[in-house]
Formats: sequence, structure tokens, C-alpha cells
Amino acid sequence: ETGVTQSPTHLIKTRGQQVTLRCSSQSGHNTVSWYQQALGQGPQFIFQYYREEENGRGNFPPRFSGLQFPNYSSELNVNALELDDSALYLCASSAGGYNTEAFFGQGTRLTVV
Amino acid sequence: GESVGLHLPTLSVQEGDNSIINCAYSNSASDYFIWYKQESGKGPQFIIDIRSNMDKRQGQRVTVLLNKTVKHLSLQIAATQPGDSAVYFCAEKVYNFNKFYFGSGTKLNVKP
Repeated sequence: ETGVTQSPTHLIKTRGQQVTLRCSSQSGHNTVSWYQQALGQGPQFIFQYYREEENGRGNFPPRFSGLQFPNYSSELNVNALELDDSALYLCASSAGGYNTEAFFGQGTRLTVV
Repeated sequence: GESVGLHLPTLSVQEGDNSIINCAYSNSASDYFIWYKQESGKGPQFIIDIRSNMDKRQGQRVTVLLNKTVKHLSLQIAATQPGDSAVYFCAEKVYNFNKFYFGSGTKLNVKP
């Protein structure tokens, strides 16, 4: 177990709705990254938070947003859900620094219908 | 943009044999690499990492080799076991950038 926990594990939403996914980072880790993993593909970087500030973003539209809290837990919010948003959403925590290992949670499986 | 690709999408090996999973990366500036194992329904699990100032690193039953000349990374698993069956991803990162780039993965099937 990595100590990174995500909730919920599964979620079904309707197109156009909004969703919030949550992640608790591993103890001692101040950096959280979010990834989207479509079926049969590798994870794609959404964004990263370091000490409550966004610290890098991938090629995702602004309707993907996030937060990091003082205890370093994090949320991923997606507005105006589209069918293509159906994926496994992964949270990874790391201790900060540029070349440190990132440990993943089990993911949230989001299905948009 | 940068891409990380794998030569073989599916690899089948006999239990007890050694496995080699290959990965090509395109960004010569990448200087940190991780191999992850992902079992069905789970998040990626860290296996081993290597920095660009090294060409080989060994863990328990696993070895990662890095050839910067041809931008190639490999994961060797010794005495492959049924529990090794999973999808394996290599991920690369450039110093001073915050994101890992993942390939599409290689599925390892271990036959008893």
C-alpha cells in the first residue's frame, strides 16, 4: 500500500454535470499530481499542486481544476462533464523536489453517461 | 510533444523465465525514469527508478537498464512469477518539469 487514498472508487455522472474527486497524500508528501488514464492507455498528466499552489499543467481545458489543502490533500474538479471524460483518475503524491518517485493511489473510475 | 513508447504491447513468458520489457523515449532531455506495474483495477505501483547519470540499477528480482545513446530503457524481471502478470509502464521526466510522460504500456502474461 502506498498510503495514497482516493475517493470515491467509482462514480457515474451524467453529461454536463460537475464532479469532485478527492485524494489524501502519503504522510510527509507535499506534492500531489493528478492523471487521467483512458482505457488501454498510459496516464496523462493533468496538473500538479505543491504547497497549495498549482505547479504545472498538462493539455487539459480549464474545466479541469484543482485545489490543495494545508494538510496537502487535494481535490480534482471537472465541470461540464463530457462522455470522453470517462476514465480512471489517478492521484500521485511525492515528497517534492524534481526527481523523486511518485506514488499512486488506486484511482477513481469515472463513467459519464 | 514528447512521447514514450513501448516496442511490444504484449509479452508472454513461462513461469520461472526471465522477462525483458522495453521502452523507447524521444526526449533526450529526460533525466529521470520510473517503471510502474499496474494490475487490473489498481493504480500504478512503483517498481524501480533510475537517473540519467546511471546506466543500470538493480532491485529485488528487477533490473533497469538505461541507454541514453539510443534513448532506450528496459526492465528485466528475473524468475518471473504469476504475480508479475500486469501492465508495465515506463515514465520519463525532465529535470525542472513537474510531469511524468507515460507510454501506453506492455502487458506481461506469465504462463504457469
